[in-house]
Parts: sequence; structure tokens; C-alpha cells
Amino acid sequence: QKEVEQNSGPLSVPEGAIASLNCTYSDRGSQSFFWYRQYSGKSPELIMSIYSNGDKEDGRFTAQLNKASQYVSLLIRDSQPSDSATYLCAVNPEANFGNEKLTFGTGTRLTIIP
Amino acid sequence: DAGITQSPRHKVTETGTPVTLRCHQTENHRYMYWYRQDPGHGLRLIHYSYGVKDTDKGEVSDGYSVSRSKTEDFLLTLESATSSQTSVYFCAISEGYSTDTQYFGPGTRLTVL
Repeated sequence: QKEVEQNSGPLSVPEGAIASLNCTYSDRGSQSFFWYRQYSGKSPELIMSIYSNGDKEDGRFTAQLNKASQYVSLLIRDSQPSDSATYLCAVNPEANFGNEKLTFGTGTRLTIIP
Repeated sequence: DAGITQSPRHKVTETGTPVTLRCHQTENHRYMYWYRQDPGHGLRLIHYSYGVKDTDKGEVSDGYSVSRSKTEDFLLTLESATSSQTSVYFCAISEGYSTDTQYFGPGTRLTVL
């Protein structure tokens, strides 16, 4: 079982709709969770970080964390063509505490259809 | 944007030659990381550093070495490049807390012929 799993997609969503991206992780003791966006040919950039169960909202983005079920999701409301990118889920597993390493999923490619 | 630069940005080399990639930061962050990104594998950690002259291996360290003689510079060396090391290499930095974000450099595209 991969430590961090994401549906590779591609995920196609009409413009203006809600895009939902999901990520599951295997280390139950994980404490820190991050969503990065990566445009083609560019480097990953942070979208959201979340550390506690529940929802965290930032503009059109909402991160949701459920530690009991070991999943973290990212919702993008009012999707825009500029949201078309690959979204990477990253987790700081409990085993990495003290050395601050992240484990990344393989990413979900999102396409917003105008 | 975090002050991270990578050089070179693109490089084509031949199998068996040594290659050194440089990451430079202006943020005075303690932690620096080297990743490679390949289709189907995502980002995989090669080596990381938690201070000057303090480095450790990641999950795909075979064939790579690193050095950090100054806070701002982290070098990745391929002693004898192979075609399997053709990839995009990203450097990242963080302040080092478990809740802290990693910020990525622009990347280096390396092709080994």
C-alpha cells in the first residue's frame, strides 16, 4: 500500500462547478497535511495546509481533514480554467517527526472545461 | 515567492559523466531538500539537509551525493550519470517545523543520453 494515494485522473470539471480532489494516507499518526498545485512545466506551489480535523477555507479553496478515516480532500468552488493543473497531496508522517520530511502522492490532474 | 534558485535550469549530458546541480536560497532556512519528479512516481526525496554539513538520505539516494558547506547552498552530484537519472530535479526549503511548509525552486530538467 502506498503511503499517500491519490486518484491520478484526469478529472474534468465544467467551469463554475465544484472540483473535489481526494487523498488517503496510511500512517495513522500523521499530523500535517498539504495541498500543492503544479502547472505543467512549473514547480509545486502551496495551496493549503491543514493540521486539525474539519474544514479550512481560503477563498475558493476548502481543505477537509478526517484523521479517523485517514483522508484529506481539497474542494475548489467556482472552478476556473486557471485551476487546470496537477494537485499534489503531501503528508508529514509520524515516522518523520524530527526530520521534517514530506511524503507526496503522485498527483491528480484537473482540467476545467470552459 | 521564496528566494530559491536552481542552476542550471536545463542540462543535457552523456552517460558516465559527472553532473552537479546547485540550489541557492536567500531565506536562511535550516532545511533543504532535493527531489526528483518522474511520471507515475510523483515527487521522491533524494537527500535532505538539516544544517550545514548535516545531510541524510531519502528514498531514492542511490547514485547521488550531496554537500552543504553554507546555509544558502545545497549541491546535488551525480557521480556518473545514467539514463535512469533523466528527470526533473526540484530543490525545496523549509524552516524545519513539522507544521512548516516546503517551498520549491523552479526545477532543473536533466537529460542523460
